[in-house]
Amino acid sequence: EDQVTQSPEALRLQEGESSSLNCSYTVSGLRGLFWYRQDPGKGPEFLFTLYSAGEEKEKERLKATLTKKESFLHITAPKPEDSATYLCAVPYSGAGSYQLTFGKGTKLSVIP
Amino acid sequence: EPEVTQTPSHQVTQMGQEVILRCVPISNHLYFYWYRQILGQKVEFLVSFYNNEISEKSEIFDDQFSVERPDGSNFTLKIRSTKLEDSAMYFCASGDTAGGTEAFFGQGTRLTVV
Repeated sequence: EDQVTQSPEALRLQEGESSSLNCSYTVSGLRGLFWYRQDPGKGPEFLFTLYSAGEEKEKERLKATLTKKESFLHITAPKPEDSATYLCAVPYSGAGSYQLTFGKGTKLSVIP
Repeated sequence: EPEVTQTPSHQVTQMGQEVILRCVPISNHLYFYWYRQILGQKVEFLVSFYNNEISEKSEIFDDQFSVERPDGSNFTLKIRSTKLEDSAMYFCASGDTAGGTEAFFGQGTRLTVV
């Protein structure tokens, strides 16, 4: 069974305090790993897609990296507006499948 | 910037009633999805739709649910005879290629069954 596990469940940072969020996955034949940001009461907002181990993507204060078993979302010098829940998702490994399997997310709070 | 649009943003319905949730996907996208998120839980896949038919559905998507693309722009989720446990955020998503590429989500419809 495909599994996506995110840690920690919640993270409180002071403004400017860098840290990393983790997403570990067990899926055969990875066809991509996606990071989304979700604000309360809103839909997931696409951030990054990573396809192969060693790949990195950056957007403002966020950098996503991928290994064969996990992905990290590094947040450098976060600001209060970075507060949100960050979701990791992988496509189901079944042949021809379109569905995404999501982790429970990491709720990030950045304190001014 | 193109976006997925969902209406209504909030729907309250009596148990046993039928509801239709509406979505306008991004215009050049070919793959359409419905997901749901029960309060405090994971986002869960319901169904995918391509070329005017269901490509895949989860165990959640039973006979109570149906999807339709009635015209070239709208994509709907119908829930017949709603139950209390159907209360959740329902998200529509669309993508321009299947499976391993990005799905873009709408802002969701909060369904409350009373």
